[in-house]
Amino acid sequence: TQLLEQSPQFLSIQEGENLTVYCNSSSVFSSLQWYRQEPGEGPVLLVTVVTGGEVKKLKRLTFQFGDARKDSSLHITAAQPGDTGLYLCAGATASGTYKYIFGTGTRLKVLA
Amino acid sequence: NAGVTQTPKFQVLKTGQSMTLQCAQDMNHEYMSWYRQDPGMGLRLIHYSVGAGITDQGEVPNGYNVSRSTTEDFPLRLLSAAPSQTSVYFCASSQFRGGHHFGNGTRLTVT
Repeated sequence: TQLLEQSPQFLSIQEGENLTVYCNSSSVFSSLQWYRQEPGEGPVLLVTVVTGGEVKKLKRLTFQFGDARKDSSLHITAAQPGDTGLYLCAGATASGTYKYIFGTGTRLKVLA
Repeated sequence: NAGVTQTPKFQVLKTGQSMTLQCAQDMNHEYMSWYRQDPGMGLRLIHYSVGAGITDQGEVPNGYNVSRSTTEDFPLRLLSAAPSQTSVYFCASSQFRGGHHFGNGTRLTVT
């Protein structure tokens, strides 16, 4: 069974601090996605990374796909209360598939 | 353009009852899937479909059935509800290598 482990599970920080969330697996993924989920709603896609070593930026969020395509990280610069939510990574299990395995999630709380 | 619509939003069932969770998308996406979300376990894939008439099992398919007669609709059937099926259920659609578009979930309690 392929697993995607996220760390940390919980993170509570002050507004303005930086943070990094990790998504790790022993399996290779053909692509990886990051989502953010707010209470009572479904997850919303933030980014898709496809190439090993790829780095994508979305305003204050920086996403990196590991060279071996087994891991990924999400870095938030100068966190704001609006960044509060559950962050999920999801990896495509094999090339040419729609099937994604989701990580266990990182619950982030940014305090004003 | 409503995206992915799930009904009902909340449901309480007694053990042994059956029901169907509805999911519809208006984006003409080929791929649709059902997940359940439990505390500390992320999202787990129940069943998925890569097009009308084609379905396959995910990670946790036992106790659930699906069908895909049209591109738009992908209902999930609970055959005989059990307390272990208490969860939040999400339907999603996507294009190949595209991001999942999720509905807002159905919160199911089985007593």
